[in-house]
Amino acid sequence: GAVVSQHPSRVICKSGTSVKIECRSLDFQATTMFWYRQFPKKSLMLMATSNEGSKATYEQGVEKDKFLINHASLTLSTLTVTSAHPEDSSFYICSAPTSGGAPNEQFFGPGTRLTVL
Amino acid sequence: EDKVVQSPLSLVVHEGDTVTLNCSYEVTNFRSLLWYKQEKKAPTFLFMLTSSGIEKKSGRLSSILDKKELFSILNITATQTGDSAIYLCAVASGTYKYIFGTGTRLKVLA
Repeated sequence: GAVVSQHPSRVICKSGTSVKIECRSLDFQATTMFWYRQFPKKSLMLMATSNEGSKATYEQGVEKDKFLINHASLTLSTLTVTSAHPEDSSFYICSAPTSGGAPNEQFFGPGTRLTVL
Repeated sequence: EDKVVQSPLSLVVHEGDTVTLNCSYEVTNFRSLLWYKQEKKAPTFLFMLTSSGIEKKSGRLSSILDKKELFSILNITATQTGDSAIYLCAVASGTYKYIFGTGTRLKVLA
């Protein structure tokens, strides 16, 4: 099946720094990718839809200046958490649909665990 | 507002028991309903359901969708400790947008 990778898998940073997370589709092109956030023992919350060549679409309540999304190519989307604070600590997961898969099927990356001290 | 609700929120059973997990939804532009299993990392795909009344099976797991009553169930028979995980239900709305439920945390005791 299709593979989606994320890098890094884990990051620990100091409060006030910015952190970039990469999401790559390894064997297919993805014009759209999705970024989710998951708090401990909670479900996945969609943060934004990343669109190749255009601006991301953010869900209600998600600060677009805080969570910068860039979809620079058909295989790469990046999420930058700017001026991170401890409350931004979470598990971030990206996903991408593939045209070769079943309708509406998405493939998830392995996730990035962010800890802000 | 679109919503997906799962029940129970958590469940503890013993090996060999059968469990039924529930997922109800109110979503505009329904396309499909999906079940995922999540252990320590990203969710892994279990089933995709698009038609009512057709049961999907994979080993000890099975699932069915009722589009009239807007719910789905996931059954696990003869549970094993390796089934311990969070089970997520998601509804695909529109082209690719997923709306996830709250999840059911299953713990299977030896």
